[in-house]
Order: sequence, then structure tokens, then C-alpha cells
Amino acid sequence: DAGVIQSPRHEVTEMGQEVTLRCKPISGHNSLFWYRQTMMRGLELLIYFNNNVPIDDSGMPEDRFSAKMPNASFSTLKIQPSEPRDSAVYFCASLRERVGEQYFGPGTRLTVT
Amino acid sequence: KNQVEQSPQSLIILEGKNCTLQCNYTVSPFSNLRWYKQDTGRGPVSLTIMTFSENTKSNGRYTATLDADTKQSSLHITASQLSDSASYICVVSDSNYQLIWGAGTKLIIKP
Repeated sequence: DAGVIQSPRHEVTEMGQEVTLRCKPISGHNSLFWYRQTMMRGLELLIYFNNNVPIDDSGMPEDRFSAKMPNASFSTLKIQPSEPRDSAVYFCASLRERVGEQYFGPGTRLTVT
Repeated sequence: KNQVEQSPQSLIILEGKNCTLQCNYTVSPFSNLRWYKQDTGRGPVSLTIMTFSENTKSNGRYTATLDADTKQSSLHITASQLSDSASYICVVSDSNYQLIWGAGTKLIIKP
């Protein structure tokens, strides 16, 4: 298995632009997580899905952030409009069962200028 | 409030030496505790997962302990290698499968 796949690996954009991050979880995994990591705040859970349904989005910072999981093999995290304080590494992770081991993707490094 | 605290924040040791990282938590009700290793520029990788009934679990040179009564866990690294340089993160899951992440310990191994 290729593991969790994220794209793009790096994204540089200007403030105000829309940004879309993509994630393909490991086949057969039914839970998917989006995290954000910064030096200041460490790793923060933004949202997680179970069987394609959003279970907890309390970590989503504000309405500028939205996430979708249209099917079991694809999820997106969208920021519109982006701001410099959104600059961070965004990780996607998946796991097979709700108490199983979580596998992380390589992350997307987002820089908003 | 559910919290996970790790100590020390950072640690520098010489190659070949042992070290122990600490994790204290206030998560309740408790489901399981995980230790992750995160190399610079990469996503975290799971080292161990322990449930309430497990006191110790090993993964090669890594040994995690759990004391559910005092709500403490430790990660012991034996005969450290340069490749052990990374951040080590303690994560506790409650019964609702919510993961509460610690801030991590940054470990540097010097030759």
C-alpha cells in the first residue's frame, strides 16, 4: 500500500486566495483526520470523519475552513480566503478502526504571503 | 479539562546513552495511550499503543510504560542512535475516541 497520500506537498499562495489540500487515505481505512502543525501550537486536530461523515469539526478555526469527504478514498480541506496566519504544515491521517493505529501522510507545507 | 503534559520540552544526550521521556495526563475516561515519533519534515509515526490493562510495551529499543492509577506514562530509549533524533509525542484517547495530543519532547542525539 502506498500509505496516506497528500497533495500538493508544498503550496505558496497570496493572502486572499483559495487553497485546496487533498488527501487519499489508506484503502480500507474508515476514519480520516485533518491536522495542522505549527511551531507555536504544535499538532492540532481540525476535523475528523468516520465512514465519510464529519464527526467532530470543533477544531476548525473559523468559517474560512471547510472539509469534505465525498467518498471513502478522497478528502479535501479548503481555505477561502487564505491568510498569512494559516501558514502551517497540514497533515492528513487515517485509521482502520476507531481505536486502531493512525497513519499519517507526508503533510502539505502551506505558506500564505 | 483533558490535558496531556510532557517533559522535558527538549533533551540532548550522547549517542549510545539511554533516556526516559515523561507524559502525565488528566484525560478521563481513558481509552488508550500512544507514543509517536516525528522526524523533522515528516508526519508522526506510531511507536506503541497501550490500553488500560497494559503496564509496559516494547518496540525494539523503545519501551513504554503506563501507570493508569497515577495517570503517568514514560518512553524509555535504550542505546540511543543518531536516528532517534526527533520529536516524541504522547497522545491519549478518551472513550469517545477523541485524541488529546501532548506538545512533544524534542530529542537530540549527539555523536
